[in-house]
Amino acid sequence: AQSVSQHNHHVILSEAASLELGCNYSYGGTVNLFWYVQYPGQHLQLLLKYFSGDPLVKGIKGFEAEFIKSKFSFNLRKPSVQWSDTAEYFCAVNEATDSWGKFQFGAGTQVVVTP
Amino acid sequence: EAQVTQNPRYLITVTGKKLTVTCSQNMNHEYMSWYRQDPGLGLRQIYYSMNVEVTDKGDVPEGYKVSRKEKRNFPLILESPSPNQTSLYFCASSANNSPLHFGNGTRLTVT
Repeated sequence: AQSVSQHNHHVILSEAASLELGCNYSYGGTVNLFWYVQYPGQHLQLLLKYFSGDPLVKGIKGFEAEFIKSKFSFNLRKPSVQWSDTAEYFCAVNEATDSWGKFQFGAGTQVVVTP
Repeated sequence: EAQVTQNPRYLITVTGKKLTVTCSQNMNHEYMSWYRQDPGLGLRQIYYSMNVEVTDKGDVPEGYKVSRKEKRNFPLILESPSPNQTSLYFCASSANNSPLHFGNGTRLTVT
């Protein structure tokens, strides 16, 4: 079965530091990839998505992610974080051969940005 | 306003007492799904639906039922809740090839 791994469970960093969160998936075929963010007490919101084309994807709030097919990875980055980026971040995968409704999520990475 | 609405937001119940968590979306989305969120495990898909009367199991369907009689509604039913179903539940909807829209969550406690 498809699995999604997020290697960092907790990340603490200072404002203005750079952020990179890892995401790897196990499926070898075509995939659709997503990063979602969950602010404290809120529901998940889409940060960015990759379906095809340019492997460097830009999302909202200055986030970007790079799809590296050979590494089965879709890492999330932000050059300079802000206190308001404190949240939990989830990577999600939909296999292209699966129904669109079937998604798998990683365990999440809790990011705390200190002032 | 486009939204996914779940009710209730909080629910405390006892083992074995049947309950239903409702989910409704106003975006005419074909796809709807239920997830449970547990610390350290992320979101795990319980069931999903591709359209009216079409549903399929996700990764953790045991102990849950769903129905999709209308396009906008996708209730989650726990016939006989157990303490291991204590969790935070999210409903989500999407159009084909579009990202998920999530509801605000239902925090369920089964004692």
